[in-house]
Amino acid sequence: GAGVSQSPRYKVAKRGQDVALRCDPISGHVSLFWYQQALGQGPEFLTYFQNEAQLDKSGLPSDRFFAERPEGSVSTLKIQRTQQEDSAVYLCASSSQLADSYNEQFFGPGTRLTVL
Amino acid sequence: SQQGEEDPQALSIQEGENATMNCSYKTSINNLQWYRQNSGRGLVHLILIRSNEREKHSGRLRVTLDTSKKSSSLLITASRAADTASYFCATKAAGNKLTFGGGTRVLVKP
Repeated sequence: GAGVSQSPRYKVAKRGQDVALRCDPISGHVSLFWYQQALGQGPEFLTYFQNEAQLDKSGLPSDRFFAERPEGSVSTLKIQRTQQEDSAVYLCASSSQLADSYNEQFFGPGTRLTVL
Repeated sequence: SQQGEEDPQALSIQEGENATMNCSYKTSINNLQWYRQNSGRGLVHLILIRSNEREKHSGRLRVTLDTSKKSSSLLITASRAADTASYFCATKAAGNKLTFGGGTRVLVKP
């Protein structure tokens, strides 16, 4: 595909369940980002990968959140023991160059997580 | 936490009118970007303005940047119903992440 894809598009979890959200970036893109967007708010940065290296995870709200990109392409965001406050849209973005340059981030459609 | 604020939070205009929205931010930046988000869809990049630029145009879009006031504006001229969306400014400082504002929800009535 031409763009960033994410799966599932919608996920409903019971409080306490673990969830895994997948991101397929644009092929060849070096940089990959995860953002969390609460209802009616702008996206907030969670974490950043350059190839397989997680260079910034300062935005992860708690140790229940974990992200990986083991082969430098597909990434998974895992949330353990989900809480109601985790309900949000989780956006993935990728870019073709190192993030420090003036390059555009391409966003996927997001995964809407609802925790009951 | 969000970098700054967008003003207004919501805007309703008639098709053909211009729409102006503003963004303020708090820290020094390398560039500022504007994104559009339609209901149920992802963010789409509209335009990027670098910190040493003051104004930029792209089609019906005009962006200004005033680094002394830490503010930017986005003007959409001759609006269309398809411009109905939420618009977000995002700043990029040294480093990697984008920091987004809270967004302006624009409704263009036909």
